[in-house]
Amino acid sequence: NAGVMQNPRHLVRRRGQEARLRCSPMKGHSHVYWYRQLPEEGLKFMVYLQKENIIDESGMPKERFSAEFPKEGPSILRIQQVVRGDSAAYFCASSPSRQGGEKLFFGSGTQLSVL
Amino acid sequence: DQQVKQNSPSLSVQEGRISILNCDYTNSMFDYFLWYKKYPAEGPTFLISISSIKDKNEDGRFTVFLNKSAKHLSLHIVPSQPGDSAVYFCAALGTSNTGKLIFGQGTTLQVKP
Repeated sequence: NAGVMQNPRHLVRRRGQEARLRCSPMKGHSHVYWYRQLPEEGLKFMVYLQKENIIDESGMPKERFSAEFPKEGPSILRIQQVVRGDSAAYFCASSPSRQGGEKLFFGSGTQLSVL
Repeated sequence: DQQVKQNSPSLSVQEGRISILNCDYTNSMFDYFLWYKKYPAEGPTFLISISSIKDKNEDGRFTVFLNKSAKHLSLHIVPSQPGDSAVYFCAALGTSNTGKLIFGQGTTLQVKP
C-alpha cells in the first residue's frame, strides 16, 4: 500500500516560469491538503481539496497559486510566474475522511528552488 | 500571527536521558493537539496526540502533557535514543475540525550516544 507520492522531489525554476507539483494520495483517500514550509519555519496550511472540489483555500496566496484535484489523476499545485520567495518545501497530505488528525499522512515533499 | 509556538529551536540530550519538548498556543478554541516527527528529506509522521478533555496521553516512550489553563503542552521522551534525533513539530487542529493543522516552528532534537 503505497504512501502519499509527490513528484518531482526537487524542482528548479527560473523567475517567471511556472511550477507544477503533483501529489497522488494514498489509496482510498479522497481528501488532500497542501502545506508549505519556508526555511526555518513550520508548515503552513495552503489548501484543502476533495475530488473535484476546493473545500478551503484560506492559506493560498491570492495571486499566481492554484490547486486542483480532478476526478482522475493526482492533485496539482500550480505556481505561475514564480519568484524567489516561492522557494520552499511543499508537502501534500491525504486523509480518508474530513477529520484528518492522526489519519493525515504526508508525502516526502517537493523542494522548489527559484533561481 | 503565530498561534502555535515552539520557542526552543533546538535541544540536545544524552542517550538514555529524558527529552522534554515544549509548545505554547494562544487560541483557546483549539481542542486537539498532535506531535509530528520529521527526518530530513521526508514528510512529517504522526507521533502522538491529545484531546483537550485529557491532561496526559502515553504511548510507549512518548508522553504528551496538556495544561489548558497555561495553554501549554509538552512531549516527554524517556529514555531518549539516537534514532529519536529529528525535528519535532507541535500542531493544533483548527476549529474547522478537518486536517487543517496549525504547526509550530519545530524543535530539532539531537540525542547523543
